[in-house]
Formats: sequence, C-alpha cells, structure tokens
Amino acid sequence: SQQGEEDPQALSIQEGENATMNCSYKTSINNLQWYRQNSGRGLVHLILIRSNEREKHSGRLRVTLDTSKKSSSLLITASRAADTASYFCATGRGSTLGRLYFGRGTQLTVWP
Amino acid sequence: GAVVSQHPSWVICKSGTSVKIECRSLDFQATTMFWYRQFPKQSLMLMATSNEGSKATYEQGVEKDKFLINHASLTLSTLTVTSAHPEDSSFYICSGVGGLGGKETQYFGPGTRLLVL
Repeated sequence: SQQGEEDPQALSIQEGENATMNCSYKTSINNLQWYRQNSGRGLVHLILIRSNEREKHSGRLRVTLDTSKKSSSLLITASRAADTASYFCATGRGSTLGRLYFGRGTQLTVWP
Repeated sequence: GAVVSQHPSWVICKSGTSVKIECRSLDFQATTMFWYRQFPKQSLMLMATSNEGSKATYEQGVEKDKFLINHASLTLSTLTVTSAHPEDSSFYICSGVGGLGGKETQYFGPGTRLLVL
C-alpha cells in the first residue's frame, strides 16, 4: 500500500491532556502533512513538514519527522473538546504538489 | 486563505444515472486539481490528477471511463460519475493547487456526499 499508517486508530482523552498520534509511511517523501477532518466535513490543513526538517511547531501543535524511521508524530497539547476530529497524515511525493497519499487516520475524542 | 468550493454538497441519485460534481477555485487559478474519494470511516484515496486543458491522470485501479474528469478552465474541474451504482456512494473531495503570494499551496474543497440508491 502507498498509504501511511496512523496509530492509534482511536484515542480518547480528557480536556487538558496531551494527545499524540503517530504516522508511518513506506516510501521516500518530499514532505509530510497533517490534516484534520470533522465528521463528514472537508479537510483542514494543519501543518506541513519537509523531508529536511525534524520538528515544527504551530500553536498547540508539534510535529516531528524521522525520515530514517519513516515516521512522524503529531502532538496536540492542552487538548480541548473542540479538538475532537479525525486526524490524517499525508505524504507528498514526486514533483507534483498536491498528489497526496493519506494514512487511515486517528479518531480523537476529547471529553470535557 | 484561498477557497475551493464544490457543488453540490450532497446528491442522491438512482442507480444507472450520471452525476456531475463541480470543483471551483474561487479566488485563485488552479493549474492542477485533484479528486479524492473517501468511504465511511476510511481514509482519502487519490483518484486522479487534473491539469487544465489536458487529460486527467488516473491512479491505478480507478476507471477513467467511469469517472470522467474535465478541467476546462483554471478555476473549474468537474467529475462525472457515469452510470452510478450503489458502490459508488462515497464522499468526493477535490483540491486545487495554486499560488497566492508567490507560494504554491493546496486547498481542499468541502466535499460532496454521493448516495446512489
């Protein structure tokens, strides 16, 4: 499969706790992106990390990338009930921007 | 940020009919658009890459005669599901790649939910 794999498939935490989601992929990449999807809705782009970067921050989000292990992690700190959604990693390959291969996603539920 | 719209947002049709879904980039020119499909509780699967003025490039396993893609202008791509069957029921999402401020970025539409009865 060309897709990445996220784990866990589902994660349930209390508000204020941190949520960590992992993504593994199989082939070489140019970049890796994380997206959020609320139930039955479109995608919201969260963050892009390039293959030559190791860590990136955006607000309460922290993404790491380990190209030697072909893995990435997304950390959401101080989670809120509004963070409840599905989170997908997507890898971009080749010269065509936007040709993405998505992982299976992690369903995050944050309880108030 | 840039906006991509899809129309319709949802559609119900009878088996055997054809359904056209539009994807528009509202405030930028999308030289390339992509079509994805998502089954319930599953991931997005890339179906095809659409370039303005040329034939679409389909991913392996996607029937080009079943899913007709037309990218007639820099702001519009259409996906037509021909002779739709219940197994075509899915969430179809498009995205457009364009440059605002000199940087190319990908923008996703809100998706179209198709239910074939």
